Amino acid sequence: QVQLVQSGAEVKKPGASVKVSCKASGYTFTGYYMHWVRQAPGQGLEWMGRINPNSGGTNYAQKFQGRVTMTRDTSISTAYMELSRLRSDDTAVYYCARDRGVAAEIDYWGQGTLVTVSS
Amino acid sequence: DIQMTQSPSSLSASVGDRVTITCRASQSISSYLNWYQQKPGKAPKLLIYAASSLQSGVPSRFSGSGSGTDFTLTISSLQPEDFATYYCQQSYSTPPTFGPGTKVDIK
Repeated sequence: QVQLVQSGAEVKKPGASVKVSCKASGYTFTGYYMHWVRQAPGQGLEWMGRINPNSGGTNYAQKFQGRVTMTRDTSISTAYMELSRLRSDDTAVYYCARDRGVAAEIDYWGQGTLVTVSS
Repeated sequence: DIQMTQSPSSLSASVGDRVTITCRASQSISSYLNWYQQKPGKAPKLLIYAASSLQSGVPSRFSGSGSGTDFTLTISSLQPEDFATYYCQQSYSTPPTFGPGTKVDIK
């Protein structure tokens, strides 16, 4: 069965960076795009970007350009999202999510990683 | 970017009620519209994709319709486990964008 297992919660100071991992299993990792979506406390869903695990090609939301880097390691079927120059309003749950590709819908989500930015 | 709006932002309903949620896109997105359900503390779950296709394993009381700019999600008979927040998402163009959500709670 498809599973996306994310790394654990993080607490960071403003200005620091965070790197969240997402280990995929149960399917061919390189066959499906991976999105990253975040959700601030009590707020809606915000798309951050996606990576093509096959080529490593990425698309980032304009809002995060220059601060986000998405990478992957195909040898261990793991995707990564690194966000730099953290601010307090980056406090959120970060999700990795698989794009099934039929209508670019997201069919599987990781469990989420809470990143707290606080001095 | 394509803007997505949803109405209502919240609603109160009883078990057995028919519930309809509307989603509107700022420009035509053909049928590239997906619906997700999210419960507190959990990741979203795909319900409907391509506007009207039911995701495998999702109860048939959920249905979606629409094309172009106007879409609806209907729950034909609300069940206790359906109390949650529902999000629409357009996947027509990058960046994919989500609606602000509709919270369905118990009357």
